[in-house]
Amino acid sequence: AQSVTQLDSHVSVSEGTPVLLRCNYSSSYSPSLFWYVQHPNKGLQLLLKYTSAATLVKGINGFEAEFKKSETSFHLTKPSAHMSDAAEYFCVVSGGNRDDKIIFGKGTRLHILP
Amino acid sequence: DADVTQTPRNRITKTGKRIMLECSQTKGHDRMYWYRQDPGLGLRLIYYSFDVKDINKGEISDGYSVSRQAQAKFSLSLESAIPNQTALYFCATSDWGLRGIGSSTDTQYFGPGTRLTVL
Repeated sequence: AQSVTQLDSHVSVSEGTPVLLRCNYSSSYSPSLFWYVQHPNKGLQLLLKYTSAATLVKGINGFEAEFKKSETSFHLTKPSAHMSDAAEYFCVVSGGNRDDKIIFGKGTRLHILP
Repeated sequence: DADVTQTPRNRITKTGKRIMLECSQTKGHDRMYWYRQDPGLGLRLIYYSFDVKDINKGEISDGYSVSRQAQAKFSLSLESAIPNQTALYFCATSDWGLRGIGSSTDTQYFGPGTRLTVL
């Protein structure tokens, strides 16, 4: 079985400073890991995904995440926050088995301070 | 994502009414899902379907039922709506596939959501 934990429910950063959203996972097999973003009153959009190729994954809007198996982490980062990054972010894990379900973290709301 | 559509987008109903939320997809995916989103709880899985004949309960299926009419259509019903079913509901599809022994890829594609209010 797999699980995912987003370590912060809210993160606030100033515009132009780095963003770090933390995610830890557990999975019995080689997992697929995802980050989704949800802007206010919008649906979910895929930011990036890890599927056992390169451990550093680049996504849209300047975001990237690094898969660290030894730490069971998949933290999302961005070098310089923009006001438009204010949204809720979900870390998601999918196991390697056909019958494994996709598990969502509870979300991290990112606030950007002017 | 226009490839996954949900109707209606907004619905207000009364306690005890039967409600159906519909989802259609043009992505050709076998897997479809229904989630509900509540503030602070993330997305919780209600039902999922791996193909037309394979439907499974998620973590919060009580009070809900589903129908997979075709590969492209997956409907969610609330037989007798109650106020704590007020939430944002999302349909999703996924492109599960093997990428090696013991590993797979499974990217989800979401509809725009249905905001349901039960008075």
